[in-house]
Amino acid sequence: DTAVSQTPKYLVTQMGNDKSIKCEQNLGHDTMYWYKQDSKKFLKIMFSYNNKELIINETVPNRFSPKSPDKAHLNLHINSLELGDSAVYFCASSPGHQVFNYGYTFGSGTRLTVV
Amino acid sequence: GENVEQHPSTLSVQEGDSAVIKCTYSDSASNYFPWYKQELGKGPQLIIDIRSNVGEKKDQRIAVTLNKTAKHFSLHITETQPEDSAVYFCAASGNTPLVFGKGTRLSVIA
Repeated sequence: DTAVSQTPKYLVTQMGNDKSIKCEQNLGHDTMYWYKQDSKKFLKIMFSYNNKELIINETVPNRFSPKSPDKAHLNLHINSLELGDSAVYFCASSPGHQVFNYGYTFGSGTRLTVV
Repeated sequence: GENVEQHPSTLSVQEGDSAVIKCTYSDSASNYFPWYKQELGKGPQLIIDIRSNVGEKKDQRIAVTLNKTAKHFSLHITETQPEDSAVYFCAASGNTPLVFGKGTRLSVIA
């Protein structure tokens, strides 16, 4: 029974295309996140949502648009993909309302390759 | 904003030896310090965490220490086993989402 599930696991696409990554958590957590892990394994926060509301946007290009239809889902849509968008994207969730200092549960990641 | 430095970037130990990974943070408002283990092809998994009102925490073979004054925290793994081989990340959070260190690749040699 997966706690944080992401689809797809792998995504290979051409430059200029638009793609989406889906995330769902069944932990009842209030806060969800998108993190980007680059080729050197560095994990960087992109977005944070609390109960469907965007609370953190870490200067991510506006080609990236998160959407949260309900508090259990946080999807990431990327327009006009560029080579530099190639990375592993992780969804995560944590308990607590608009607080960040609780244990995060991560999904297994989506490896995006732009060719 | 918060900045987390982590050392070393790679660490090789013999099976049964101890491993120590060290981190420093910059934001005195940070009050939560988790450690994550990431195995190949998987997401980071929380292995232990510590809050700023505690100096040390232990869970079987792993322990974490925190020095708030110096803004240092460390992960100690004793009696290392081959299955401990992975990338380990420290992180810090207070009023913002977790900021991660750059990771330590730990190799345990049998």
